[in-house]
Amino acid sequence: ETGVTQSPTHLIKTRGQQVTLRCSSQSGHNTVSWYQQALGQGPQFIFQYYREEENGRGNFPPRFSGLQFPNYSSELNVNALELDDSALYLCASSAGTSAYNEQFFGPGTRLTVL
Amino acid sequence: SQQGEEDPQALSIQEGENATMNCSYKTSINNLQWYRQNSGRGLVHLILIRSNEREKHSGRLRVTLDTSKKSSSLLITASRAADTASYFCATVFGNEKLTFGTGTRLTIIP
Repeated sequence: ETGVTQSPTHLIKTRGQQVTLRCSSQSGHNTVSWYQQALGQGPQFIFQYYREEENGRGNFPPRFSGLQFPNYSSELNVNALELDDSALYLCASSAGTSAYNEQFFGPGTRLTVL
Repeated sequence: SQQGEEDPQALSIQEGENATMNCSYKTSINNLQWYRQNSGRGLVHLILIRSNEREKHSGRLRVTLDTSKKSSSLLITASRAADTASYFCATVFGNEKLTFGTGTRLTIIP
């Protein structure tokens, strides 16, 4: 167990809907990164939040947005869901933004878009 | 897009044997990391090797890095059933974030 929790575990939505996924970071960690993992693929970086500000973004459209709260927990919001958004969404927390800070992953939220 | 590519895509070996997985990447890196993922759940960090290092050990794990060939290998010695998982390499370059490869699915046969 890493101490990083995500909710919900599973979620089913229909195309066009909006979804919010949540992540609680490990105690003492101020940085949260979000990843999308399609079936059979490696995780792809969506964005990172550090002290409530976005600190880097991958190749994802603006309908993917996020928040980080003062307690360093985070949300990932996806608007206008598409079928290709079906994936495992992983968050990871770390003690800083350095590339050498170990990232601790949560168990993920599996999103299915019908 | 995926930066790295693991080889083989899938590997099955008998318990007790050694398992070797390879990772090739495309650009210069600051460091390369290996992760394990059980049954499509969260990833577990295994080991980090810096670009100026050539080999690193952690328990039954041995990682090598050849920056001239842009490749790395992960060796798991004396494999156990609990090692059954997917293994991913991930690279970091400059201020970029972790970029994962496509993974190797390892199955240990008891």
